[in-house]
Amino acid sequence: NAGVTQTPKFQVLKTGQSMTLQCAQDMNHNSMYWYRQDPGMGLRLIYYSASEGTTDKGEVPNGYNVSRLNKREFSLRLESAAPSQTSVYFCASSKDSYSNQPQHFGDGTRLSIL
Amino acid sequence: KQEVTQIPAALSVPEGENLVLNCSFTDSAIYNLQWFRQDPGKGLTSLLLIQSSQREQTSGRLNASLDKSSGRSTLYIAASQPGDSATYLCAVQGGSEKLVFGKGMKLTVNP
Repeated sequence: NAGVTQTPKFQVLKTGQSMTLQCAQDMNHNSMYWYRQDPGMGLRLIYYSASEGTTDKGEVPNGYNVSRLNKREFSLRLESAAPSQTSVYFCASSKDSYSNQPQHFGDGTRLSIL
Repeated sequence: KQEVTQIPAALSVPEGENLVLNCSFTDSAIYNLQWFRQDPGKGLTSLLLIQSSQREQTSGRLNASLDKSSGRSTLYIAASQPGDSATYLCAVQGGSEKLVFGKGMKLTVNP
């Protein structure tokens, strides 16, 4: 049982380039989330999807777009990368938003933008 | 706006000590509170989830308590071991689907 799988694990981009971070879960969870983790800032929610077909903004959505491709997959896209988007990105999933079940996290994507 | 605070930011202790990790939150209208562990270079692993109607949860050497009225939770680690070294994060879920995280506490248990 793989849980939450994120690809790639590491990526270096130049300012202005675009890329998509992929996330897939095999736990039949309805809700999925994208966070970024920065030193001194903690984990901050970028976007989330409460269920297939819905997406909503979190605390720091500017510069990002998301797609809930199906129940399993939730991708995060940087259209024009900026150095301020250098961070560790985590995808998470949970059974439902209000199920009182914990969120399960992937191992993260470490993204550097030069 | 919900704010979650964990103090201190880091703690170093000798092996065998019983530990208390603190978490405070500003809005007592929460749905649940969750404690996570994060090892270097890894994602978060859920340790305990306390529903708003509960006072505590236990798993092995870990015990988490919740006092909603005072906006506090504690994570108790009994007989600490070097393998407990990690960053511990507290998070609360309020009226929305979102979790609000504290910045974490880095624990080092020295053999």
